Amino acid sequence: ETGVTQTPRHLVMGMTNKKSLKCEQHLGHNAMYWYKQSAKKPLELMFVYNFKEQTENNSVPSRFSPECPNSSHLFLHLHTLQPEDSALYLCASSNPGSTNEKLFFGSGTQLSVL
Amino acid sequence: DQQVKQNSPSLSVQEGRISILNCDYTNSMFDYFLWYKKYPAEGPTFLISISSIKDKNEDGRFTVFLNKSAKHLSLHIVPSQPGDSAVYFCAAPSTDKLIFGTGTRLQVFP
Repeated sequence: ETGVTQTPRHLVMGMTNKKSLKCEQHLGHNAMYWYKQSAKKPLELMFVYNFKEQTENNSVPSRFSPECPNSSHLFLHLHTLQPEDSALYLCASSNPGSTNEKLFFGSGTQLSVL
Repeated sequence: DQQVKQNSPSLSVQEGRISILNCDYTNSMFDYFLWYKKYPAEGPTFLISISSIKDKNEDGRFTVFLNKSAKHLSLHIVPSQPGDSAVYFCAAPSTDKLIFGTGTRLQVFP
């Protein structure tokens, strides 16, 4: 079983739909993240959760709503998205504050908004 | 303002030759750097890192060099293999997040 699992792998939705992305980590980490990858742009940090508490919201529009019920699960609820929100959404986890901190990523959800 | 920059969006190298991927940073407070490798439709995976107390770190075919005075690091892959074809991101930790560059797409051809 991989360390960070994301579902679904692919998602196509209309602008009026409501959908959710799910992420689960099996690494015992305390922090979870949502990143967005659009073409020709850096990986953009969206949200950070540390011990289930949101510690960063990187000016993300309210049509993206994260939820972290426990330190192993992270959701991203989507509603009334725009076509420009089409991107690869990546979940990651880590143990922040460790000397050799690194992120472990899931495979991502490729989202297309029509 | 982008604190971590990868100015070359793509690089093409022949199999067996050396690949050199470059990364520049602006924040002199960064003291640790990481390289990630990403295949299409997959998440990035950690490749190699370097602490600012070192100027070189080697792991098999991969070597990262750090020049603190120039705020520059580079990833060397030698010999390059077709399986190395991917997008490579450099990153630096800041507070509780990683700041990534835009990535360099490496293509290794036979």
